[in-house]
Amino acid sequence: AQRVTQPEKLLSVFKGAPVELKCNYSYSGSPELFWYVQYSRQRLQLLLRHISRESIKGFTADLNKGETSFHLKKPFAQEEDSAMYYCALKSGSRLTFGEGTQLTVNP
Amino acid sequence: DGGITQSPKYLFRKEGQNVTLSCEQNLNHDAMYWYRQDPGQGLRLIYYSQIVNDFQKGDIAEGYSVSREKKESFPLTVTSAQKNPTAFYLCASSPIPGQGETQYFGPGTRLLVL
Repeated sequence: AQRVTQPEKLLSVFKGAPVELKCNYSYSGSPELFWYVQYSRQRLQLLLRHISRESIKGFTADLNKGETSFHLKKPFAQEEDSAMYYCALKSGSRLTFGEGTQLTVNP
Repeated sequence: DGGITQSPKYLFRKEGQNVTLSCEQNLNHDAMYWYRQDPGQGLRLIYYSQIVNDFQKGDIAEGYSVSREKKESFPLTVTSAQKNPTAFYLCASSPIPGQGETQYFGPGTRLLVL
């Protein structure tokens, strides 16, 4: 069965510092992974997907099949990055979400 | 104004009572989903529907029921069989069945037990 694990429930960094949100998955097929973000008082929304190989708001994520990981990274965190981040794995027509990581960027 | 709407924003349930959460979308999306969000547990899938008049159980369907009589509507009923209903409920939709990754979320309904 598919599973997504985000080992850090809370992550706190200072503005300008690098940030990495960890995501590990288990899946028998070819994985498709995503990061969703929920800012305070806003709806949950798609941040990026691995197949697009894009950088959104300075964030990137690389799929590492050997380590079964899809960590989200940003070299210089900003205060507006403070939010809840969810890693998600596509299986069939549904998504399996991780437990989420609450990121706080301090001034 | 396009998008997904959920109502009510807050809902209170008494012991033994069934309550229904509304989810409506005007995005012309085929697929719709219901999730439950609990602190430290992420989003867990309750039910999903890829087409009108058809739906499938998710990971935690017990104590819940749904219907999909119209493309734009996917109401969720929390029955008295759900022993721990207090949670934040999120509805989502996706344009094409089988491509559920681009899901668009509603604002959520918080259910509280009196």
